[in-house]
Amino acid sequence: DVKVTQSSRYLVKRTGEKVFLECVQDMDHENMFWYRQDPGLGLRLIYFSYDVKMKEKGDIPEGYSVSREKKERFSLILESASTNQTSMYLCASSPMTSGRANEQFFGPGTRLTVL
Amino acid sequence: GDSVTQMEGPVTLSEEAFLTINCTYTATGYPSLFWYVQYPGEGLQLLLKATKADDKGSNKGFEATYRKETTSFHLEKGSVQVSDSAVYFCALRPLGEAGTALIFGKGTTLSVSS
Repeated sequence: DVKVTQSSRYLVKRTGEKVFLECVQDMDHENMFWYRQDPGLGLRLIYFSYDVKMKEKGDIPEGYSVSREKKERFSLILESASTNQTSMYLCASSPMTSGRANEQFFGPGTRLTVL
Repeated sequence: GDSVTQMEGPVTLSEEAFLTINCTYTATGYPSLFWYVQYPGEGLQLLLKATKADDKGSNKGFEATYRKETTSFHLEKGSVQVSDSAVYFCALRPLGEAGTALIFGKGTTLSVSS
């Protein structure tokens, strides 16, 4: 059974703290993604990675960075958390094949609250 | 750029009612199209997909047909159940590299009462 896991389901942090969100997939997928989900805005892409040590900015990268040192792990880093980063964060992965039907597999999400 | 527009919710139905959630897209060429579902407290899971014009995706009683002429991929179910209550997202994968991220609509919340 394919699986994407995220390190925490719920997280509460203080303004200015450095926050790490971890994502691990066991499907040997090349591509990994970080989204944030907010009511009325849907899913917005923060960063994605198509290979180890490679990263690409998504639509809303400001205030975030990422790290991909191993193929199975993709970390999202909030260098200095702010209240407007309170959100649901979703990690996803997909294979790098030529199939047009390649879906993304999602983790359960981390609900981050910044006080 | 490519985009997805889906009907705003919430959609409130009684059990056994017919469901339609509209989704239209703007894209170059022939993108792949997806419907994802998010049950309360969970991540997204794929509901169905279609990769070319006139393809029909189906799963768990849900169906959607890829309509190139109207650039639409509407989700339908003939008889909804309380357990279908969830948020539904329409998404497309643009033409190009296989690693391209999906583009999502804003989601439609469905609430089914008994």
